[in-house]
Amino acid sequence: AQSVTQLDSQVPVFEEAPVELRCNYSSSVSVYLFWYVQYPNQGLQLLLKYLSGSTLVKGINGFEAEFNKSQTSFHLRKPSVHISDTAEYFCAVSEMNRDDKIIFGKGTRLHILP
Amino acid sequence: DVKVTQSSRYLVKRTGEKVFLECVQDMDHENMFWYRQDPGLGLRLIYFSYDVKMKEKGDIPEGYSVSREKKERFSLILESASTNQTSMYLCARGQGAYEQYFGPGTRLTVT
Repeated sequence: AQSVTQLDSQVPVFEEAPVELRCNYSSSVSVYLFWYVQYPNQGLQLLLKYLSGSTLVKGINGFEAEFNKSQTSFHLRKPSVHISDTAEYFCAVSEMNRDDKIIFGKGTRLHILP
Repeated sequence: DVKVTQSSRYLVKRTGEKVFLECVQDMDHENMFWYRQDPGLGLRLIYFSYDVKMKEKGDIPEGYSVSREKKERFSLILESASTNQTSMYLCARGQGAYEQYFGPGTRLTVT
């Protein structure tokens, strides 16, 4: 069975500093990987996804993530955060060739400090 | 612009009431999903549907049922609401390659 672990429930970071949100997954088959963002009082929206090809994936709002198969990780990074990045971030995984189910991590709340 | 709409943003119901949460998509996508979101627990799948009148249990179906009579509409039903069903409920539909598009959510409070 698949699972997703987000290692940090909350991450405080100063504005304009870099940030990394960590995500590890486990699965017995090949997977697709996603990061979703939830701004306050809103639904989730897709930030980026890895399906195949280059292991470095670029998303919206300057975020990127790197798929590392040997470490079963998909960490999210941004070189310089802005106050508007305050949100909750969810890592998610789905099994290849199955589009009927995505497993979400428990989320990481990003706090931007002035 | 792609849309998934949910009938209410905020809802307050009493214990024992029957509650309907409605979700409507604007595309012709087969897959639709209901999740609940609780602090520290992330999103947990309640039910999903891959076509009209088809449904599958997710990870936490107890206390819930669903209805999908038309492709664009997927309803979540709480037969007899309880206080432990106070939560944020998120509807999603499938989109493109294995991703999901979410509605704005319904925050349900059961008193």
